[in-house]
Amino acid sequence: AQKVTQAQTEISVVEKEDVTLDCVYETRDTTYYLFWYKQPPSGELVFLIRRNSFDEQNEISGRYSWNFQKSTSSFNFTITASQVVDSAVYFCALSPRTGTASKLTFGTGTRLQVTL
Amino acid sequence: DAMVIQNPRYQVTQFGKPVTLSCSQTLNHNVMYWYQQKSSQAPKLLFHYYDKDFNNEADTPDNFQSRRPNTSFCFLDIRSPGLGDAAMYLCATSGRLAGGETQYFGPGTRLLVL
Repeated sequence: AQKVTQAQTEISVVEKEDVTLDCVYETRDTTYYLFWYKQPPSGELVFLIRRNSFDEQNEISGRYSWNFQKSTSSFNFTITASQVVDSAVYFCALSPRTGTASKLTFGTGTRLQVTL
Repeated sequence: DAMVIQNPRYQVTQFGKPVTLSCSQTLNHNVMYWYQQKSSQAPKLLFHYYDKDFNNEADTPDNFQSRRPNTSFCFLDIRSPGLGDAAMYLCATSGRLAGGETQYFGPGTRLLVL
């Protein structure tokens, strides 16, 4: 069985602060994919990143960075110099590499509130 | 821009009155998914289509049906909506039916049942 845990239910920061959203996962699969999605108040789930379990390189995209550590089964997401537009619910998700369907197991989400 | 479109964005229906939500995509993806998301919860997969092959999740109520008349369109039919069916309904697509494929979501339809 697969499981994704996002222990932080809600985080509040002041604009320009750095913030890290935690994601811990459980799977018996040796190969799998991890995802982060952003859900702003409008409701659309916006794809941010997909990471293959074989690729443990950290990734940076502008103010966003991701730290994948297979040894601790974590895939954490950091926003540097947060902005009000970053306010949203962020979901971490896991999908097995094998199988005939892209079944996503979502965490419960972390609500990020960025204030001025 | 290639995208996933959902109409309407907000839908109000009456208890027991059938309702249809629509999804279209310009990504030319083979797979289309329907999710239900209740307040403060993660999205829950209801079913998916691979081309015209329909795959229902084991715990999806019979009250929920789907149609996919062509590659671009997919519909969610709720035959007799109950108050518990009020939720956000999200449509998603992926290029292949394979583990690990990225799913791209539409803006969702928020359903209110009176």
